[in-house]
Amino acid sequence: EVQLVQSGAEVKKPGESLTISCQGSGNSFDNYWIYWVRQMPGTGLQWVGRVNPEDSYVTYNPSFQGHVTISLVKSTNTAYLQWSTLRASDTAIYYCATALYGGNKAPIGFWGQGTLVTVSS
Amino acid sequence: QSVLTQPPSASGTPGQRVTLSCSGSSSNIGSNSVHWYQQLPGTAPKLLIYSINQRPSGVPDRFSGSKSGTSASLAISGLQSEDEASYYCASWDGSLNGPVFGGGTKLTVL
Repeated sequence: EVQLVQSGAEVKKPGESLTISCQGSGNSFDNYWIYWVRQMPGTGLQWVGRVNPEDSYVTYNPSFQGHVTISLVKSTNTAYLQWSTLRASDTAIYYCATALYGGNKAPIGFWGQGTLVTVSS
Repeated sequence: QSVLTQPPSASGTPGQRVTLSCSGSSSNIGSNSVHWYQQLPGTAPKLLIYSINQRPSGVPDRFSGSKSGTSASLAISGLQSEDEASYYCASWDGSLNGPVFGGGTKLTVL
């Protein structure tokens, strides 16, 4: 069974940097795309970006391009989402997730428990 | 503003059948498959239906999905109190080159 365990909640100030992580168990990070998804308070879901574990190729939602960095360390089955300069509008729950099966358009099938990021002065 | 459009709320009584709608465009639902997620309060989303009408293992057959043109629907029959949750539709968007989601429908079981 796929299990994704994310790092704990963070409270940061605007302008600070942050990296959150997601560790997968089993074969979760072998072949299927790994996603990051944002859920702002009381709102819906938005794709942030994704990384292909076969070659570490990353694609971003244009709305997040240049503001976040996604990376993957296969040896530890850990994916990362990084900000160099946080904004108050980054306050949200961030989920890591994996595709249900292989293929470019495969649906997201498994979700981590989420990491709450709060950015406030 | 979500790419896919869902009504913000819906309600039903126990045992009733309810249908939740999701509207998109030719770049997403019109040319790709549709998936549905259930999010219970305070928890992560869970895949409920994929590829329009496929249920992952463990999902009751009370849940079913359909698609027509640029719209999709999730039907829940024999409504139960534990079905009270938010439901999100999703699809691949060829213009964005990534997945898009609806804003979610919060289902209340009266």
